[in-house]
Amino acid sequence: EAGVTQFPSHSVIEKGQTVTLRCDPISGHDNLYWYRRVMGKEIKFLLHFVKESKQDESGMPNNRFLAERTGGTYSTLKVQPAELEDSGVYFCASSQVEVSEQFFGPGTRLTVL
Amino acid sequence: AQTVTQSQPEMSVQEAETVTLSCTYDTSESDYYLFWYKQPPSRQMILVIRQEAYKQQNATENRFSVNFQKAAKSFSLKISDSQLGDAAMYFCAYRSGATNSGGSNYKLTFGKGTLLTVNP
Repeated sequence: EAGVTQFPSHSVIEKGQTVTLRCDPISGHDNLYWYRRVMGKEIKFLLHFVKESKQDESGMPNNRFLAERTGGTYSTLKVQPAELEDSGVYFCASSQVEVSEQFFGPGTRLTVL
Repeated sequence: AQTVTQSQPEMSVQEAETVTLSCTYDTSESDYYLFWYKQPPSRQMILVIRQEAYKQQNATENRFSVNFQKAAKSFSLKISDSQLGDAAMYFCAYRSGATNSGGSNYKLTFGKGTLLTVNP
C-alpha cells in the first residue's frame, strides 16, 4: 500500500511568488492534516480536512495560505504571495478516522528567497 | 493551550547501550494521548510508540518503552540496545482525547525534537 506522498520534495521561490504544494493521502483515508516546521521550531498544525470539508483551520497563519481538497482525495496548499517567513518544511498526514494513527508524508521543503 | 517540551536538542548513545529521551507537557485535560515519532534522515516520520493517559501501564514496543508520569506530566522514551538504525530526530507529541466535534481535538502538538546519534 502506498504511503502519503507529497510533491514537490523541494521548492525554491522568490518572495512574492506563488507556490502550490500537493499531498496525496493513503487511499481511503478521510482525514488529511497539514503541518509546518519552521527551522529550529516545533512542528505546528495548520489545518485538518475530513473528506473535502475543513474541520479545523485554526493553525493557518494568515490569508496568504489557501488549502483545498476537492473531491476529498488529494489536497493542495497554496501560498500567495510567499514571504520569507514561510520557509520551512510542510508535512502532510492522513488517518483513516480522526482517532487513528496519523501517517506522515516526507514533507516539502520550501525556501523563500 | 497544550505545550510539549523536549529539553534535549541532541543526544548521543553508543551502539547496544540504552538512552532516554525526555519530554514534558502541559495540559489541563485529563484525557489525552502521547506519542513518540521518529524521523530518520531524509525519510518520513513514523510512529514509534503511543500512550493513552488513562492507562497506568507504560507502553512498550520491542526495544522502545516509555516512562509515563501523569502527575509530573512527563513522558520519556527509553531505547534499549540501541542500533545504528535508531539514529533519527525524535519528536514527542500530544493529542487531546476529547471526542466532541467542532474543534481542534485531533491535531498533534509537537515538541521541538531531539536529534539522536548512535555511535558504532
